[in-house]
Amino acid sequence: SAVISQKPSRDICQRGTSLTIQCQVDSQVTMMFWYRQQPGQSLTLIATANQGSEATYESGFVIDKFPISRPNLTFSTLTVSNMSPEDSSIYLCSVEGRSSYNEQFFGPGTRLTVL
Amino acid sequence: QKEVEQNSGPLSVPEGAIASLNCTYSDRGSQSFFWYRQYSGKSPELIMSIYSNGDKEDGRFTAQLNKASQYVSLLIRDSQPSDSATYLCAVNMGGSYIPTFGRGTSLIVHP
Repeated sequence: SAVISQKPSRDICQRGTSLTIQCQVDSQVTMMFWYRQQPGQSLTLIATANQGSEATYESGFVIDKFPISRPNLTFSTLTVSNMSPEDSSIYLCSVEGRSSYNEQFFGPGTRLTVL
Repeated sequence: QKEVEQNSGPLSVPEGAIASLNCTYSDRGSQSFFWYRQYSGKSPELIMSIYSNGDKEDGRFTAQLNKASQYVSLLIRDSQPSDSATYLCAVNMGGSYIPTFGRGTSLIVHP
């Protein structure tokens, strides 16, 4: 499976500010995914990012709040904009494996706390 | 609505016992099923995939799939304290290539 890194690993931010999370993969991948995991909850997909096109957002998530970039086949960023304490969560990027069964592999995550 | 259901637990088993984790899903046409292990403060790690009815074994782990009854389970034999974690069930439903995750079952293996 691909090796995935994320930066920062954690951050504490003030209300109203924005944070950009980076995700780097050691091989080229077509799609990258961004998830949120709130405390005690499961994984919720925020959006799917394809290189060269606009990200596809899931219901309840909008581009103005979570802008995503995908400049090449190994890198993506997720920005959490105008943060509030409700945005405190773990943010995870993932990529698909190489089999035809669509398994996903996750980066180490970014733990965000908004005060 | 696509749903994956798991008992949140915690499931507590003694060291050396078999831990049995269960998951049900709402879409009868689902094709791919996954079990992830998530240690506290870490990201999910894929431990098993299963696509056909029956059992699939990998070391101490066995995944069991019953599509007619719409459930998938994970058995962990000879449970160790290091198996203590949250286990997430994920299912590709509705023809989607993106899995839907359950809330996870917390497993505690006590010495």
